[in-house]
Amino acid sequence: IAGITQAPTSQILAAGRRMTLRCTQDMRHNAMYWYRQDLGLGLRLIHYSNTAGTTGKGEVPDGYSVSRANTDDFPLTLASAVPSQTSVYFCASSEDRETDTQYFGPGTRLTVL
Amino acid sequence: GQNIDQPTEMTATEGAIVQINCTYQTSGFNGLFWYQQHAGEAPTFLSYNVLDGLEEKGRFSSFLSRSKGYSYLLLKELQMKDSASYLCAVMDSNYQLIWGAGTKLIIKP
Repeated sequence: IAGITQAPTSQILAAGRRMTLRCTQDMRHNAMYWYRQDLGLGLRLIHYSNTAGTTGKGEVPDGYSVSRANTDDFPLTLASAVPSQTSVYFCASSEDRETDTQYFGPGTRLTVL
Repeated sequence: GQNIDQPTEMTATEGAIVQINCTYQTSGFNGLFWYQQHAGEAPTFLSYNVLDGLEEKGRFSSFLSRSKGYSYLLLKELQMKDSASYLCAVMDSNYQLIWGAGTKLIIKP
């Protein structure tokens, strides 16, 4: 592994189903983030984690949850998917939240029908 | 509210120079980032400005004026591979990145 990996690459999901998007980094970065990217809009922060064991809410957290059990993994869960959650989801990490450049994973394209 | 404005789309010719502008209004300022994003791919870091002035990195330069809430990304000697979206992002007082919607740059031969 080099950098950040995300799985799955893409997914079509029925509304109401539960889905977990996976994110793993091997850079030993303290901070991790989940964004969604929608056409015509900037990246919007869903949740973040400053360090293992801590999480925080971003700009659009409703309908999503995260956990940070260790440094490397930061899964994003949609408890009951809705069509408005159709988007491209990017995981990112940085050495620290306050000053450092964020590096992005390849993204997960999610379609909720 | 917080706002980042940049043009939606720009067109330029291979070999030429293009300037992509970004204006911002945010709650505090802890630096401005430029990222490049090719279609269907992840954003990749280009530059970071926290002090006023010009930062040069090869064919790419980025300028910041904090008093004017303004930045630009200058791309010289344009190549076809520079066709991409360019994202401006500002880190606010809570150390959260606020992102513009991106400028799609089309390079013509």
